[in-house]
Amino acid sequence: QSALTQPASVSGSPGQSITISCTGTSSDVGGYNYVSWYQQHPGKAPKLMVYDVSNRPSGVSNRFSGSKSGNTASLTISGLQAEDEADYYCSSYTSSSTVVFGGGTKLTVL
Amino acid sequence: EVQLVESGGGLVKPGGSLRLSCAASGFTFSSYDINWVRQAPGKGLEWVSSFTSSSSSIYYADSVKGRFTISIDNAKNSLYLQMNSLRAEDTAVYYCARDPSYCSGGSCSLGAFDIWGQGTMVTVSS
Repeated sequence: QSALTQPASVSGSPGQSITISCTGTSSDVGGYNYVSWYQQHPGKAPKLMVYDVSNRPSGVSNRFSGSKSGNTASLTISGLQAEDEADYYCSSYTSSSTVVFGGGTKLTVL
Repeated sequence: EVQLVESGGGLVKPGGSLRLSCAASGFTFSSYDINWVRQAPGKGLEWVSSFTSSSSSIYYADSVKGRFTISIDNAKNSLYLQMNSLRAEDTAVYYCARDPSYCSGGSCSLGAFDIWGQGTMVTVSS
């Protein structure tokens, strides 16, 4: 199972919006609406930010939104804040009943 | 408080074995799928294995299949990961994570992990 493809890094200034892409195949991202996104600060456990492509768990800011087109999912963070600086990972349920993660994207808030 | 707590990590020689534990509290353990996810130092997340509560099905990543085994003790609200034939590339922080299976309109989520433990470090080195 190959990892999903994410850009290694993205950056943006406070108040701006950024988008992180996550590309898979028809056996994972493209085949199911079971894409999740996680935020991870250094030394901490990941935090679920989006599930089922575009749903947010209770307590997650509406500045975080998800979408999908074909084999590519995206996470958009609007109104960037300093505390958004972290690593972000996408994941997808797969046709093998497993889960595959993306390689991770480091977000820098300039 | 809803939480997962991992234990059992440590230093082990290549070819050795280790058993990790994941203890749950604050929720009905037997009603949820529980997964193991690992993260090598400075690297990304890698899904390792899952236990599906509804069917007791177990799945493994190809990288650990045949070497790692999940077991569960519902009486102790605990999930275990028996790791055999350990390799240097198994060195990582191992997290257990809960799949909440959010349900709406007759369908439920899959593969989303809402509760994570603090992780336990496994180092495979001679």
